[in-house]
Amino acid sequence: EPEVTQTPSHQVTQMGQEVILRCVPISNHLYFYWYRQILGQKVEFLVSFYNNEISEKSEIFDDQFSVERPDGSNFTLKIRSTKLEDSAMYFCASKGDSNQPQHFGDGTRLSIL
Amino acid sequence: AQSVSQHNHHVILSEAASLELGCNYSYGGTVNLFWYVQYPGQHLQLLLKYFSGDPLVKGIKGFEAEFIKSKFSFNLRKPSVQWSDTAEYFCAVNRDYGQNFVFGPGTRLSVLP
Repeated sequence: EPEVTQTPSHQVTQMGQEVILRCVPISNHLYFYWYRQILGQKVEFLVSFYNNEISEKSEIFDDQFSVERPDGSNFTLKIRSTKLEDSAMYFCASKGDSNQPQHFGDGTRLSIL
Repeated sequence: AQSVSQHNHHVILSEAASLELGCNYSYGGTVNLFWYVQYPGQHLQLLLKYFSGDPLVKGIKGFEAEFIKSKFSFNLRKPSVQWSDTAEYFCAVNRDYGQNFVFGPGTRLSVLP
């Protein structure tokens, strides 16, 4: 069964550095998402992306965050200048059409030192 | 604002006990409802979903959930739990044709052998 893949599985970065989290959604999917889960807390929506543009974003997704689909297969989340509170598990998800459930990747654990 | 609540933070059961995890949402319009499970160290996996039709939904691994519109609830049930059901369970809601999910805070289930 096709799946969403995320790399790396664990990213350790110094505070203030830029980080890029990578996701390869399921190949025929059209809707893409990023979520995060701070340790011990609930999963929070960050951003959704459709037709090469952001369709919805949460208050968490401030100017430090950006998303890109550079080559038609990857879907990346960039954090420009990381903060300690960005430490979390970041999940990518995709779905084929608007009325289908999202399929989640395994997540990238981001640790900010 | 749309919100999702889950009644229990941590549930501890013995094997073969019956399970019911509560989920309530606040959105008044048409919604799609989901339960996801997260096994330790793994990604979110879809257990079951409700879009329309029969309000009693059957999912994988013997789980089922009942949508009660008048109570804004979507409780998850399993008649007899196993040790392997130990995981975190998340209820999620998204509006009809909406983009993002709103997740509940999660319920940790511990099943004692």
